[in-house]
Amino acid sequence: GQQVMQIPQYQHVQEGEDFTTYCNSSTTLSNIQWYKQRPGGHPVFLIQLVKSGEVKKQKRLTFQFGEAKKNSSLHITATQTTDVGTYFCAGGAGGYNKLIFGAGTRLAVHP
Amino acid sequence: GAVVSQHPSWVICKSGTSVKIECRSLDFQATTMFWYRQFPKQSLMLMATSNEGSKATYEQGVEKDKFLINHASLTLSTLTVTSAHPEDSSFYICSARARDRESNYGYTFGSGTRLTVV
Repeated sequence: GQQVMQIPQYQHVQEGEDFTTYCNSSTTLSNIQWYKQRPGGHPVFLIQLVKSGEVKKQKRLTFQFGEAKKNSSLHITATQTTDVGTYFCAGGAGGYNKLIFGAGTRLAVHP
Repeated sequence: GAVVSQHPSWVICKSGTSVKIECRSLDFQATTMFWYRQFPKQSLMLMATSNEGSKATYEQGVEKDKFLINHASLTLSTLTVTSAHPEDSSFYICSARARDRESNYGYTFGSGTRLTVV
């Protein structure tokens, strides 16, 4: 079946360092979405990318969707302790636009 | 923005009993809701897609008779874990997509239900 792979699984950074997480799909996606989940919380929507090669920015976060619509990345510039959490990508595909989630990248930021 | 209310937030039940989890879309109509299961420090695994007025579509490996889904109205979907066993202990979470328009703002998740079966 369709899979969305996400790396790295876990990343430690010092506050102020940059962070990137990558997603790859085994098939072409209709769209890709990114979510953030704080410990003990539920996923919170960050953004959706639909177009091939699309790049979107939200303050220190930059999201990219690959030309082939099979991969995506999230880059955080100058991390802060508030960025701590697990970042999930989720590919949209199949009937009813169901989302297939990547494994997530758990980000730890040390002050 | 769109809000999905899910309850209970947590529940502890005895082995063999059934537990019902509710998800309500508060300020929009949801023709489709999705039910996920999440184990500690793991990703969300899609269990089933709930469609208003019709049978749910289950993912491969998910027992239909074990996890009963009902989507009786445009604002309510329920997941019933029947004859619960300790291995059913998990974090269950629903999400919904707004009706009548492309969801350019993503899917809204409920706050999740932590089920512990003892």
